Amino acid sequence: EVQLVESGGGLVQPGRSLRLSCAASGFKFDDYAMHWIRQVPGKGLEWVSGINWNSGSKGYADSVKGRFTISRDNAKNSLSLQMNSLRPEDTALYYCAKDITVYDTSGCDSWGQGILVTVSS
Amino acid sequence: QSALTQPPSASGSPGQSVTISCTGTSSDVGDYDFVSWYQHHPGKAPKLIIYQVNKRPSGVPDRFSGSKSGNTASLTVSGLQADDEADFYCSSYAGRNTWVFGGGTKLTVL
Repeated sequence: EVQLVESGGGLVQPGRSLRLSCAASGFKFDDYAMHWIRQVPGKGLEWVSGINWNSGSKGYADSVKGRFTISRDNAKNSLSLQMNSLRPEDTALYYCAKDITVYDTSGCDSWGQGILVTVSS
Repeated sequence: QSALTQPPSASGSPGQSVTISCTGTSSDVGDYDFVSWYQHHPGKAPKLIIYQVNKRPSGVPDRFSGSKSGNTASLTVSGLQADDEADFYCSSYAGRNTWVFGGGTKLTVL
């Protein structure tokens, strides 16, 4: 069974940093692209960032480009999102998600339960 | 990266069919056959129900179907059931390793 467990969320002041982690299990982690997707409470889903299976390709939403950095450690089955210069509008539930297609990207077939990040003074 | 456009709401009676549209541009929906659809019940993790425009992941009933024409993708839910009531989101690959979501459609089963 695929399991994705996010950690590292919490309350942080504007301008500060936070690092989210996602522990993956139940599948061959290094075969799949991974993504971070967020949802502001009461609003829609927003794709934040994605990374391919070997870290050779990374992508970011314009809203976080230059502030967030995605990375993965295939040896530890772990995905991370380093979030710097946080803004109140980054407040959201952040989901770690696994792509459905081996060595490609087609959509997210497994999601974690999400971790809340609150940016406020 | 502009959000894809979905109607905010849709509805249908049990047993009926409903279609939800998702309009993008020639830089996302119109340029790639990488459109996916998600069903999201509040308080739960989103569930992938369609990927690559019209493919269903294992376990998703064939009542859910997807299509695309030009810059617009569509999700059809046939034989509506009470449990289908949820928020539905489309998503498209937008090039340069990026994805974009739609604003979401709240489906009500009357």
